[in-house]
Amino acid sequence: GQQVMQIPQYQHVQEGEDFTTYCNSSTTLSNIQWYKQRPGGHPVFLIQLVKSGEVKKQKRLTFQFGEAKKNSSLHITATQTTDVGTYFCAGRSSNTGKLIFGQGTTLQVKP
Amino acid sequence: GAGVSQSPSNKVTEKGKDVELRCDPISGHTALYWYRQRLGQGLEFLIYFQGNSAPDKSGLPSDRFSAERTGESVSTLTIQRTQQEDSAVYLCASSDRGGRSNQPQHFGDGTRLSIL
Repeated sequence: GQQVMQIPQYQHVQEGEDFTTYCNSSTTLSNIQWYKQRPGGHPVFLIQLVKSGEVKKQKRLTFQFGEAKKNSSLHITATQTTDVGTYFCAGRSSNTGKLIFGQGTTLQVKP
Repeated sequence: GAGVSQSPSNKVTEKGKDVELRCDPISGHTALYWYRQRLGQGLEFLIYFQGNSAPDKSGLPSDRFSAERTGESVSTLTIQRTQQEDSAVYLCASSDRGGRSNQPQHFGDGTRLSIL
């Protein structure tokens, strides 16, 4: 069945360093969504990418959707302690329409 | 209400007991989802409702798990004869439309279930 893999599982960075998490699907996606879950909280929708090669920015966060619509990345520039949490990608299968969540990347930021 | 509401927020019960978890989605949202999240793990899909019907039950881990939705609103997830491996946070999410729509999912705060 369709799988969405996310790497790395964990990342520890010093405040001010950059951070990137990668999401790869075994099948072509119609779109991909990104969510952030703060410690002890629930996932909160960040953004959705639909077009091949699409790049979207939210302040220090840059989201990319691959040309083949099978992978995506989230890059955070100059991390801050408020960026701490787990970032999930969720890919929607072009075939089934089902939204599949990745396992998440947990970011720790040392002040 | 403004967001997805889940109750109880915490539930501690003995192994073998039945539990019922409740989800009130955002008003007007036709799609409703249940997920399970074990400690430090990702989101495990359980079931999806479109209106009152459940076109995708593929994630329910065993026949001890069941869910229903009435009035295109409230949903309950029932776990019978609970086992220790059922301990997890159970998250509910709703969206404006389900199926192949691009609508984001809005999550509740979850029910933290602990089986002794």
